[in-house]
Parts: sequence; C-alpha cells; structure tokens
Amino acid sequence: AQKVTQAQTEISVVEKEDVTLDCVYETRDTTYYLFWYKQPPSGELVFLIRRNSFDEQNEISGRYSWNFQKSTSSFNFTITASQVVDSAVYFCALDNDYKLSFGAGTTVTVRA
Amino acid sequence: EAQVTQNPRYLITVTGKKLTVTCSQNMNHEYMSWYRQDPGLGLRQIYYSMNVEVTDKGDVPEGYKVSRKEKRNFPLILESPSPNQTSLYFCASKAGREAFFGQGTRLTVV
Repeated sequence: AQKVTQAQTEISVVEKEDVTLDCVYETRDTTYYLFWYKQPPSGELVFLIRRNSFDEQNEISGRYSWNFQKSTSSFNFTITASQVVDSAVYFCALDNDYKLSFGAGTTVTVRA
Repeated sequence: EAQVTQNPRYLITVTGKKLTVTCSQNMNHEYMSWYRQDPGLGLRQIYYSMNVEVTDKGDVPEGYKVSRKEKRNFPLILESPSPNQTSLYFCASKAGREAFFGQGTRLTVV
C-alpha cells in the first residue's frame, strides 16, 4: 500500500512571504514517481513537477523549488516571494503503475 | 492538442436517476482512470482501465460502474446516484508516468 500525507490543511501568508508545503509519502516500491499539482479556484489540475525516486537533486523553476529527501520520504515544495495568483490547493501525489495516490491537499491563501 | 475531455462540466441530479459522465482522450493512451475529489480527502481513485475491455476497482468503487469498449472513451456510470456521491470528478489518461486530467465534473445529487 502507498500513502501520501500532507499534514498542513491550510496556510495563509501575506504577499511576498515564502511558503513551504510539506509532503511525506510511504511506499514499498523502490522505483516510484512523485508529483505536485496545483488546483486554482477554477478547479482544473495543473501539473507542476514530476520526480523519480532515483533523482534526489533539488529543482528550482522560477519562484518554485522542490526538496526531495529519500531518507525521510519527503518531497517538500517552496514558493518564494508568494503572489496572490499562487492562491490554490496544492496536491502531492505518488505514482505506481496503475494509480496516482494523492495527499489530502494544502490550501494556500496569499493575501495582498 | 492533447487533451482529456469530460462532459458534462456541471450536473445537478436527483437521487436514483441514472447518469453517465463521459470521458474521452485523443492521445491513444491505454490507461485511463476516474477519481473523485472531496474536501480534506484529496483525490481518490474510483476505477481504472489498463486497456480496452480491462477495468479494475480503485479505492472507492462502490456505487459506480465503468466500461471500456474502445480505447478513447471511459464513461463513468452512476446507476442510482445518492447524495454521498456529490463530488468533483476527474478523468485521467496516462502514458508512462505522465498523466493528463480532464477539466473535472462537478456533480450534485439532491
């Protein structure tokens, strides 16, 4: 069985603050993929990043960065200098061959 | 353009009235699946299909049926909807480790 835990239900920040979203996962597989998705108020799922279990290199994309630590089974996501447009629900997910297992999601509210 | 199309986007129905939510993909993917999203629970898999005529239960299959008669389509059928099936539904197709999601169907059962 696999499981993804996003312990933070809601985070509220003021614009320009940094915000870090935690994701902890459980799996018995040695090969797996981890994802982050953004769900803006309009409801669609927007793909942000995919990471395979053999690549622990941290990644930065603009204001977004990801910290993958296999030793602690964590795949955390940081938004630097947050903006109002970052307000959304963010999901972490773990992929085996036949399904994506999602965390419960973290609602991020960025106030102007 | 690669896409997964769900219809309808919004649906309000009454308890017990059979309904079908359609899902179609244009990427020739073998794998398709359905998820429901509920507050505080994330997305949970309802059913998935590894190929035509091959379907299997996900985590929350009760009250749902699916069929996969052709590769591009994977409809979700609620034979007798109940209020606890009020939810946001997503269809997805996948090739390797890349998943494509539909726009979602917001279903309300009264």
